[in-house]
Amino acid sequence: AQTVTQSQPEMSVQEAETVTLSCTYDTSESNYYLFWYKQPPSRQMILVIRQEAYKQQNATENRFSVNFQKAAKSFSLKISDSQLGDTAMYFCAFMKRGGSEKLVFGKGTKLTVNP
Amino acid sequence: NAGVTQTPKFQVLKTGQSMTLQCAQDMNHEYMSWYRQDPGMGLRLIHYSVGAGITDQGEVPNGYNVSRSTTEDFPLRLLSAAPSQTSVYFCASSRDRVDYGYTFGSGTRLTVV
Repeated sequence: AQTVTQSQPEMSVQEAETVTLSCTYDTSESNYYLFWYKQPPSRQMILVIRQEAYKQQNATENRFSVNFQKAAKSFSLKISDSQLGDTAMYFCAFMKRGGSEKLVFGKGTKLTVNP
Repeated sequence: NAGVTQTPKFQVLKTGQSMTLQCAQDMNHEYMSWYRQDPGMGLRLIHYSVGAGITDQGEVPNGYNVSRSTTEDFPLRLLSAAPSQTSVYFCASSRDRVDYGYTFGSGTRLTVV
């Protein structure tokens, strides 16, 4: 079974600074996908970024980028130029390609952006 | 498009009562799932469906039933509510799971007393 670990229950950052959220995962699969989801106080789950394991290039979406280290099974999220609206819970998630393809989530990191 | 609509948004049940959480999507997505979110636990998969008439169990299926008679609807039934089922429930749907990602509903906060 796959597991996802987020070792930082809470983090804070000053507005306009950069912050990195950590995620590690355990799997014996070779074909899979990794995701970061954002959950603001509104409770809505919002997809931030996705990474395909077979792609070596790190995914980027505007101010959000990942550092994907496949051998180390690490998938960190970097948020540049942090904004107050980035305050949220962030969940790392894993999906095996093929079969049930369900999402396996980490326990989340609560990020607070301070003015 | 409304996306994924969950009703109700809040519900209080007494132990032993049954109820159905509704989930509907208008995006013609084949894949639908139910998750529960508990403090410090992340989201855990309850049941999922890969198309009308096809459902399967996830990580924490006990105490819940689902059915998928249409592409649009995927209701979650609590058979006999227990305090351990107090949680926030999310329904999610996807066109093809990965390339388009999952779209989540806004959640149902359920309290069992």
